[in-house]
Amino acid sequence: AQTVTQSQPEMSVQEAETVTLSCTYDTSESNYYLFWYKQPPSRQMILVIRQEAYKQQNATENRFSVNFQKAAKSFSLKISDSQLGDTAMYFCAFMIYSGTYKYIFGTGTRLKVLA
Amino acid sequence: NAGVMQNPRHLVRRRGQEARLRCSPMKGHSHVYWYRQLPEEGLKFMVYLQKENIIDESGMPKERFSAEFPKEGPSILRIQQVVRGDSAAYFCASSLPSNTQYFGPGTRLTVL
Repeated sequence: AQTVTQSQPEMSVQEAETVTLSCTYDTSESNYYLFWYKQPPSRQMILVIRQEAYKQQNATENRFSVNFQKAAKSFSLKISDSQLGDTAMYFCAFMIYSGTYKYIFGTGTRLKVLA
Repeated sequence: NAGVMQNPRHLVRRRGQEARLRCSPMKGHSHVYWYRQLPEEGLKFMVYLQKENIIDESGMPKERFSAEFPKEGPSILRIQQVVRGDSAAYFCASSLPSNTQYFGPGTRLTVL
């Protein structure tokens, strides 16, 4: 079965500090894509970062970076210099092709950035 | 380039009525996905469509729910004879083949 597990339902971090959100997944596929999406209080789903499984180099987008450990099936998100606007739900997801394209989402981590 | 558009943003229906949710994908995107999000929960996949084809509807309830993505116009998610349990946020996402999904702002359905 294809699953995504986010073991931290809620986290908080002080403004300007660094926080890491964990994500593990399970799939038998060798080619897939991994994503982190952010859902702020407006409820709009916003793509934060994307990683191709065949790439060893960890993806980065400004203050956001990932630690991708393929053998461990781990895909954590690090947010540096946290800002109040980072307060949101964060969803980890992966996409595989198994006859059709399938996206599997985790249950989310609620992050609160404290002033 | 306009993003994924959904309308209405908020929809209120009484039990037994029909709800129609619309999704216009990003320009050039031929794949549309619908998800449901209950309060304080993650996204649950419902259906995946390409133009005029349902590719995967494994997440759709067997009754009362249907979806289409016609050759012209938006994708429509239809819920017939709504019940209170249908109250949720419904998100549409679009993509190119084998590519990143981009989400619309969602439609919040409230069933009275």
